[in-house]
Amino acid sequence: EVLLVESGGGLVHPGGSLRLSCATSGFSFSNYGINWVRQAPGKGLEWVSSISSNSRSVFYADSVKGRFIISRDNAKNSLYLQMNSLRDEDTATYYCARWPQEEGGAWGQGTLVTVSS
Amino acid sequence: DVVMTQSPLSLPVTLGQAASISCRSSQSLVYSDGNTYLNWFQQRPGQSPRRLIYKVSNRDSGVPDRFSGSGSGTDFTLKISRVEAEDVGVYYCMQGTHWPRTFGQGTRVEIK
Repeated sequence: EVLLVESGGGLVHPGGSLRLSCATSGFSFSNYGINWVRQAPGKGLEWVSSISSNSRSVFYADSVKGRFIISRDNAKNSLYLQMNSLRDEDTATYYCARWPQEEGGAWGQGTLVTVSS
Repeated sequence: DVVMTQSPLSLPVTLGQAASISCRSSQSLVYSDGNTYLNWFQQRPGQSPRRLIYKVSNRDSGVPDRFSGSGSGTDFTLKISRVEAEDVGVYYCMQGTHWPRTFGQGTRVEIK
């Protein structure tokens, strides 16, 4: 069974930092690009960032570029999102997700990040 | 950025009846390899999203065959042939052809 489990969310003050993790199992992690998607309370889905299987290609939404850093550790089957200079508008549930070009899409359960003073 | 526009945004449906959701992109979603990377996701109340359809019309494993995707270029459709109670939720299209990836606004399906 493909599993993605996010952790690291919580309450942080504006300007603060947080590091999210996504632990995976049930598939060959090192063969897949993987993504972060967020959902503000009561709102739709917003793509945040993607990283290729070998980490050579990374992409960011304009809303987080220069503040967030995506990374992965294929030896640990894990994905990370370092979030710096957090703003109120970054408050959301953050999901890690894979959507390969073939069968086998999967999402984690999400981790809630609240940015508030 | 490619804008994904879904309609309707709210869709009340009678159990057992068909439902159809439209998704239009502001640019063609045909990639240089000839494939069209258009996905559909379902988010049931209180749950994480899950992918239903990839590359316009391919169902993910475990997705009931009452769900079907169609379309080409900039115009796509998700159809539910006979709506069941478990289909209540919000449906999103997402393009995987261009950077940045973009989602539609979501279509809320509810039972009349």
